[in-house]
Amino acid sequence: SQKIEQNSEALNIQEGKTATLTCNYTNYSPAYLQWYRQDPGRGPVFLLLIRENEKEKRKERLKVTFDTTLKQSLFHITASQPADSATYLCALAGYQKVTFGTGTKLQVIP
Amino acid sequence: DAGVIQSPRHEVTEMGQEVTLRCKPISGHDYLFWYRQTMMRGLELLIYFNNNVPIDDSGMPEDRFSAKMPNASFSTLKIQPSEPRDSAVYFCASSTEGYYTEAFFGQGTRLTVV
Repeated sequence: SQKIEQNSEALNIQEGKTATLTCNYTNYSPAYLQWYRQDPGRGPVFLLLIRENEKEKRKERLKVTFDTTLKQSLFHITASQPADSATYLCALAGYQKVTFGTGTKLQVIP
Repeated sequence: DAGVIQSPRHEVTEMGQEVTLRCKPISGHDYLFWYRQTMMRGLELLIYFNNNVPIDDSGMPEDRFSAKMPNASFSTLKIQPSEPRDSAVYFCASSTEGYYTEAFFGQGTRLTVV
């Protein structure tokens, strides 16, 4: 069965450092991979989308990589700030189907 | 646009009662999704509509769950009868091109069945 794993349930990092979150998947061939941010009590908010034929995507301090051979996506936040503290979800989208990971809770410590 | 609007924000009901969750998508979005989020299972897709027509309801857990979209600006998710294991946060989301673009989520409805 299809499975998505996000590296750890929680990740603590010092302010100013680069946070790296991992999304691994098995038994799936997604055409697109998305990353969302979710704050407590709120719905997920879209951050970035990367297609299967793209290796890397950037947006301001955010960078996503997508390795279909390793079946892995990495999500980087450079120069992290306390305001980046949230849960980050990856979502894999294929034909007529989208599956979300359970998320990684990022805490940026001042 | 005010974004995706869900109501109510919180719902507490007794087991066996009927529950109706409501959603107003963003105007012009042709796709509407209903999700359920729990600590154990994360965010799960229940059903989605394209142009008001249900396309995939394979995520709907049981016959107790039903969803409708009578027009482009309104959708409901109904649970009848409700059970304690239905307790979760239910999200509605809309998008312009299905899975292949960003989805805009509502604030969610936190359902507690006692």
